[in-house]
Amino acid sequence: DTGVSQDPRHKITKRGQNVTFRCDPISEHNRLYWYRQTLGQGPEFLTYFQNEAQLEKSRLLSDRFSAERPKGSFSTLEIQRTEQGDSAMYLCASSLAASIHEQYFGPGTRLTVT
Amino acid sequence: AQTVTQSQPEMSVQEAETVTLSCTYDTSESDYYLFWYKQPPSRQMILVIRQEAYKQQNATENRFSVNFQKAAKSFSLKISDSQLGDAAMYFCAYPSGTYKYIFGTGTRLKVLA
Repeated sequence: DTGVSQDPRHKITKRGQNVTFRCDPISEHNRLYWYRQTLGQGPEFLTYFQNEAQLEKSRLLSDRFSAERPKGSFSTLEIQRTEQGDSAMYLCASSLAASIHEQYFGPGTRLTVT
Repeated sequence: AQTVTQSQPEMSVQEAETVTLSCTYDTSESDYYLFWYKQPPSRQMILVIRQEAYKQQNATENRFSVNFQKAAKSFSLKISDSQLGDAAMYFCAYPSGTYKYIFGTGTRLKVLA
């Protein structure tokens, strides 16, 4: 297993367009997390799945954001009607429920909204 | 509210020297974990070291060690014999509840040859 992967690595879109990002966690990990990282800041929690259930959404996740994890495997994060303020790095991480909280991160998707 | 503070936006260290990165946190919990993650330029974040709050002994991983002061809520990272490959952003992280991390704002470490 090669770790957490994310696709695409970079996305440039025009304001108002919809974008979708994909995350493939480490195969045996049942927990999956999305974070957003803006320039000069640490990652901020967006949402969390245990298997296919979305158990928490941050208030940072406005109505324009939706995340899914069908069948408890890969996850998608969709942003509708993108705004310039959505420009950021979107990080995905995964972990085992039984682990001592250690999360394994993917390389991220850098979104630029023009 | 649980918070994590890294007060050093940037640090520099000469190759082979030692550097200490600071982190303070706030929590009302008594049993928890703390982590230091490294984020190299354009590469993914990787775990450097973890500390369990109930353990009095400071964690050590090769050239990386922590100075954990539970009463002061301080969790600093010491890097010994610094190498060029240590250059990266370093984030202190506190798991809130059972899953989500709260990160500090990071410290950019530069290693000078």
